[in-house]
Amino acid sequence: AQTVTQSQPEMSVQEAETVTLSCTYDTSESNYYLFWYKQPPSRQMILVIRQEAYKQQNATENRFSVNFQKAAKSFSLKISDSQLGDTAMYFCAFMSTGNQFYFGTGTSLTVIP
Amino acid sequence: DAGVIQSPRHEVTEMGQEVTLRCKPISGHNSLFWYRQTMMRGLELLIYFNNNVPIDDSGMPEDRFSAKMPNASFSTLKIQPSEPRDSAVYFCASKKTGFNTGELFFGEGSRLTVL
Repeated sequence: AQTVTQSQPEMSVQEAETVTLSCTYDTSESNYYLFWYKQPPSRQMILVIRQEAYKQQNATENRFSVNFQKAAKSFSLKISDSQLGDTAMYFCAFMSTGNQFYFGTGTSLTVIP
Repeated sequence: DAGVIQSPRHEVTEMGQEVTLRCKPISGHNSLFWYRQTMMRGLELLIYFNNNVPIDDSGMPEDRFSAKMPNASFSTLKIQPSEPRDSAVYFCASKKTGFNTGELFFGEGSRLTVL
């Protein structure tokens, strides 16, 4: 079975600083997708970034980038130049070839002015 | 394009009452998922449909929960009878079937409170 672990329940960062959220996963599959979703207080789940496992290059979306270490089964999210609007719960997710999604327990990020 | 549409956004009910949550997936998406979110357990997959057929319902807590997808544009999650421990936010999400077809799109969730 696939599992996704986020070991940091809460984190905080000063505005304009950089923060890294950790995620590890366990799978026996060789190809899969990994995602980071953001859930602000409005509770809407919003896709931040995604990575396909067979692609070696780390995905980047503006201020958001990932550090994907396939052998270590690690998928961390780096947020640069943190903004107040980045305050949210962040979920790491794994999608198997069977089209099923597995989510971590989330990391609550607070950006401090 | 409209996103995933869920109703109601909020529901408060008494223990023992029947609750029906509704979901309209994005047009053209033929995979539909129901999740439950609580502080204690995070996001739990309840059931997953593909082309209106339930593929995995192993997350459905017990017989009080049932889900249907009578057609490609509508799904319901029913709780009967409801209990206080069912209080949670219930999300519906959809995507195109297939491995390379992108991410999961979520509705805004239905917050259920059972008194």
